[in-house]
Amino acid sequence: EVQVVESGGGLVQPGRSLRLSCTGSGFTFGDYAVSWFRQAPGRGLEWVSFITSKTYGGTTKYAASVEGRFTISRDDSKGIAYLQMSSLQTEDTAVYYCSRPPGGICNNNCYFATWGQGTLVTVSS
Amino acid sequence: DIVMTQSPATLSVSPGERATLSCRASQSVSSNLAWYQQIPGQTPRLLIYGVSTRATGIPARFSGSGSGTEFTLTISSLQSEDFAVYYCQHYNNWPLTFGGGTKVEIK
Repeated sequence: EVQVVESGGGLVQPGRSLRLSCTGSGFTFGDYAVSWFRQAPGRGLEWVSFITSKTYGGTTKYAASVEGRFTISRDDSKGIAYLQMSSLQTEDTAVYYCSRPPGGICNNNCYFATWGQGTLVTVSS
Repeated sequence: DIVMTQSPATLSVSPGERATLSCRASQSVSSNLAWYQQIPGQTPRLLIYGVSTRATGIPARFSGSGSGTEFTLTISSLQSEDFAVYYCQHYNNWPLTFGGGTKVEIK
């Protein structure tokens, strides 16, 4: 079964850092791009970040709201993608989901069928 | 950025009735449009991609239509498990954006 599982969430003070992990199973992790999304309490879905497969250069994309503060990366030998979050703000409080598009890159196919259960990040003093 | 606007915000429907949800893009997204269902407390579920292609395992009562800037998700006969929030998402370019959602509730 194709699965992704997020971990690493928790309570963190404003200005601090946190690293989330997305572990894939049931598929060849390195063949696929990975994306992070988030959902603030009671709010809708927001795209956060994206990384292509290494075949396509491991190219990264970021939402304007996190550009310069968040970094996405991947370790295909472990089947894990990471989201390093720094300078966290209260408005970053959300459930963070990782997901996988159908291929190694988004070329008119950037939709997401495989989602994890999410990990809650709470930024509060 | 492309702004996705969904209407109505809330739709009250009786079981067995038809539900029609709308999604409008601020500029053309061609056919690069997906729909997701999210039951409260659960993870998003892909329903439709490419405007009208049902994802694996999605019942035929879900259908999508439209092109360019105007899109529709239709649920032909609502079942109890369909009461949820529905989101549209474009993937025409970066950044990916979602609509604000339509909550389908029991009338």
